[in-house]
Order: sequence, then C-alpha cells, then structure tokens
Amino acid sequence: QVQPVESGGGVVQPGGSLRLSCAASGFTFSSYGVHWVRQAPGKGLEWVAFIRYDGTNKYYADSVKGRFTISRDNSKNTVYLQMNSLRAEDTSVYYCTAGWGLDYWGQGTLVTVSS
Amino acid sequence: IVMTQTPLSSPVTLGQPTSISCRSSQSLVHSDGNTYLSWLQQRPGQPPRLLIYKISNRFSGVPDRFSGSGAGTDFTLKISRVEAEDVGVYYCMQGTQSWTFGQGTKVEIK
Repeated sequence: QVQPVESGGGVVQPGGSLRLSCAASGFTFSSYGVHWVRQAPGKGLEWVAFIRYDGTNKYYADSVKGRFTISRDNSKNTVYLQMNSLRAEDTSVYYCTAGWGLDYWGQGTLVTVSS
Repeated sequence: IVMTQTPLSSPVTLGQPTSISCRSSQSLVHSDGNTYLSWLQQRPGQPPRLLIYKISNRFSGVPDRFSGSGAGTDFTLKISRVEAEDVGVYYCMQGTQSWTFGQGTKVEIK
C-alpha cells in the first residue's frame, strides 16, 4: 500500500524554522513526484510545493517562495520541506502526497507558529 | 488559476443523487492535450483522498457511484446515490498550471 508518512511538525515561534520529513512506506519514493499541501485549522486545502521524482524540478506557491525549500534524498526514500521565517499564517496541518496528481496522501503533521 | 465551486454546502437524502460544480478562471486544457482536473474527498477527521483525475477517471478503489464530467472551464462531480460514508468535503483541483484547489463543498445528510 502506497502510504507517505510525515513527521517533524511541532510548535515554533514566529521567525523560526522547522524541517518536515516525508518517508515512503510500502513503495519506492524515487518513482513519484511529491507535493506538500497544507490545511489551516477549519480551512480548505492549499498547495505548497512540488518536486519531481528525480529532484530536477521544484515548484512553489507564491505564499512560501523564498522561505520554504523542498528537497529529496531517494537513497533514504524521503522528501523534506525546510520551512524558514515562519509566520502565524503558516500554522496548518501539512500533508505529503505522492504522485503528480496527488494520488496518495499521508495523515499529515501539525505545524503551529505561535509565540 | 482560480477554482470556484458551487454549492458550498449540499444537504442530501440518503440514496438520492447530488452534484457539485467547479468552474476555472481559464481553460484547463494543457498543451499536451490533457485536462488536469481532479476531485478529492475529505471525510471528517481524515486526510483528503483522490477520487477522480483528468475529469472523469476514477482512481483505484473508488466506487462507481462517483463520476466526473466536463470540459474547458466547467466541470461536475456526481454521486448517483449518496451513502452515509460519502459525508465530507469535496474539492476540485487543477494541475494544468501549477496546482490550485476550489474552496470545498460540504456534503451532509439531511
């Protein structure tokens, strides 16, 4: 079963940094492009970033461009989201999804930006 | 590209059909000829799940009571006979130019 597993969420102060990880469970990540999508409490879905299966291309939402960096290590079957200069409005559940079309979703990890 | 869903709330009777509309601010036809319009379901307390991709293709394991249609800028998700497990929020999503979601439509039982 294709199941991404996120980790690394927590509470961080405004201006701080956090790195999220997404590990592959039951499948080989290197075959899939990977997205990060977030959902603020009680709100809808917002696409954040995408990385191609081989890491050659990366795309970002305007709201995170210059602050967030997506990367991957296929030897470790893991994708990362480095989040810097965090703001209160970045508070969300962050989902990792595998596949260009957002085929397979993890359970999400909660990031809270608060002083 | 802005995705606009209607209605935002849809109370339905068990066993009855329902449909959700999604309109994009520009055509979703990609230069490769495909139209990257998907539908996702998010049950209460659960992560989203892909239902339909490229307008009308059901993803693995999705019941055939779910169907998608449309072209260009106007798309529809239909549930032929609503079951209790269909309660949740439904999102359309475009992947033709970056990725954007609609606001979501809440389906609930009357």
